[in-house]
Amino acid sequence: QKEVEQNSGPLSVPEGAIASLNCTYSDRGSQSFFWYRQYSGKSPELIMSIYSNGDKEDGRFTAQLNKASQYVSLLIRDSQPSDSATYLCAGRRRGDMRFGAGTRLTVKP
Amino acid sequence: EPEVTQTPSHQVTQMGQEVILRCVPISNHLYFYWYRQILGQKVEFLVSFYNNEISEKSEIFDDQFSVERPDGSNFTLKIRSTKLEDSAMYFCASRQGLDEKLFFGSGTQLSVL
Repeated sequence: QKEVEQNSGPLSVPEGAIASLNCTYSDRGSQSFFWYRQYSGKSPELIMSIYSNGDKEDGRFTAQLNKASQYVSLLIRDSQPSDSATYLCAGRRRGDMRFGAGTRLTVKP
Repeated sequence: EPEVTQTPSHQVTQMGQEVILRCVPISNHLYFYWYRQILGQKVEFLVSFYNNEISEKSEIFDDQFSVERPDGSNFTLKIRSTKLEDSAMYFCASRQGLDEKLFFGSGTQLSVL
């Protein structure tokens, strides 16, 4: 079983703070990684994708990938109450994509 | 933005009955997927489909499950003899290329009684 593991949280941060979400993966054959946001009762929506080692920034979001450590993270700067959701880490190997269990984030006003 | 469409949004069935969940992927997409999410649990990969055949399937996708793309637009998931533990939200997804964005449908909530 190729697993993607996330610290399940829940994680609570005050509005305006940085939220840090972490993920590890066991399959070294995984080629690309994704962070999705899922609101309760809704389908996942893509926030960021990252394919190579290092950082990738998009607005308030920064994804980090370290293939040697098999570690992926997502930083959310200036967290807003609307960021409150479950964040899913996913890794892709060949045709399939496997999700972690998700980290529930609450941003308190 | 283009959408993946799933029907029905809710399906209630009796244990042992067959169900077909329907999806219309985005028209120029080539890769199609089914995922399921049991309430409060993780999104689980079921199957991927490319070039009119299954390319990957998980251990969940046993002989009770099958997929079809009957007419070039619809993509269906059939469960032959439903069990109570098949109750979940089933998401269809599609993408144009392997490293392109994966678009999810809004899901079909399946309840097996």
